[in-house]
Order: sequence, then structure tokens, then C-alpha cells
Amino acid sequence: AQSVAQPEDQVNVAEGNPLTVKCTYSVSGNPYLFWYVQYPNRGLQFLLKYITGDNLVKGSYGFEAEFNKSQTSFHLKKPSALVSDSALYFCAAQRDSSASKIIFGSGTRLSIRP
Amino acid sequence: DVKVTQSSRYLVKRTGEKVFLECVQDMDHENMFWYRQDPGLGLRLIYFSYDVKMKEKGDIPEGYSVSREKKERFSLILESASTNQTSMYLCASSLLAGGDTQYFGPGTRLTVL
Repeated sequence: AQSVAQPEDQVNVAEGNPLTVKCTYSVSGNPYLFWYVQYPNRGLQFLLKYITGDNLVKGSYGFEAEFNKSQTSFHLKKPSALVSDSALYFCAAQRDSSASKIIFGSGTRLSIRP
Repeated sequence: DVKVTQSSRYLVKRTGEKVFLECVQDMDHENMFWYRQDPGLGLRLIYFSYDVKMKEKGDIPEGYSVSREKKERFSLILESASTNQTSMYLCASSLLAGGDTQYFGPGTRLTVL
């Protein structure tokens, strides 16, 4: 079965420190990979995606993600965390076809302390 | 900017009631989706539609139906609401089917008593 795993329910980081939110996937072929963020009382917002090409993808708000095919991972990173980055983050994957079904991970709550 | 709107932010219904959740997008997107979001389970796809009057079952379609009579509107219907359908419901749309960004509405928090 196709799946996306986010092994950490919560990640706590001090402001100014680098952050990593982990994601691994089990999807056949060469999947499209996404990160979305959900701020309190709001819908999901797109952060970045990997389709093909450079393994390091840059997105909104200074976030980036590294695609690693051998480890089937797509970890989200930011060099210097802000308190305003505190939110719920979702990793998602989609098979590389015309299929539009996306598989979401269970989410990781990121908490940045001042 | 793409805008996806949902008819209600909060809804309280009684067991057995028929419930309609409406979603409208203003960017002429072909694809529309309904998800439910539950803590620790992430987003689970209920139904999606890739064209007017077309629909496909997602991962958890039981107890739900959908309607897409116009391109911009995608409705989720709970034929007979049950307490285990208490959840956050998110609507989304995308232009393309593969590899495209999905744009989400603000969500409807449904409570079934």
C-alpha cells in the first residue's frame, strides 16, 4: 500500500536554530512530493514541491526540502527558525501519473520557542 | 490568488440528519477534493472530482456522497450523519491532475451529536 510517514508527532526548536521535519514515503515509481503548512484555524497552505531535477527544493517562508531517492525521504528544513513558523506541517506524495489522488502523512506539529 | 470557500466554519448537527457541505472555487480548476482531518491521522481523501458530473471514491467514501453540477462547486453530503463523522472537513482544488498544487479552503468543523 502507498503511504507517507512523518515519524515525529511534535518537533521543538529554539528560535534561531535550524529545524528539520522528517518525511519518508512508500509510493511506486517517481512520485511527486509536497509539503503543506496549516496555521491555527486556517486551511492548508502550499510550501513547496518536488517534481524532478535538483534534489534541493526551495519554497515559501525560507523553507527548503531535500529529496533523497535512495532513502525515500523528503525532509523539510530551515536554517534559522522563527516563532511564527510554529504550525502543523504535512508531507504528501502523489504517483507520477495523471492520477490526482494525493497521500498525506499524519502531520508534525512544529513548536518554536523564543 | 486562488480562493476556495466553504459554506460554514462550524456546524452542529444531530445524528441521522442529512448534512450538506458546500465548496466553491473561483479559479476554473478542473479537480476538486474533499478530505477529512483527524488528529494523528492526517488528511484522508473522501471523494474527488476531475470534471463536472464526474466523481471518484477516495480512501474513506463510506457514509458520504458528492455532487458536482457546476465546475466551481463541489458538495459533500452526509446522508445520515453519525457521531463518528464528527471531524474537520477540508475542500481543495487544483488545475492539473498530476503534480499540481492543491488549494485548500478554511475548513468546516462538523460536530454530530
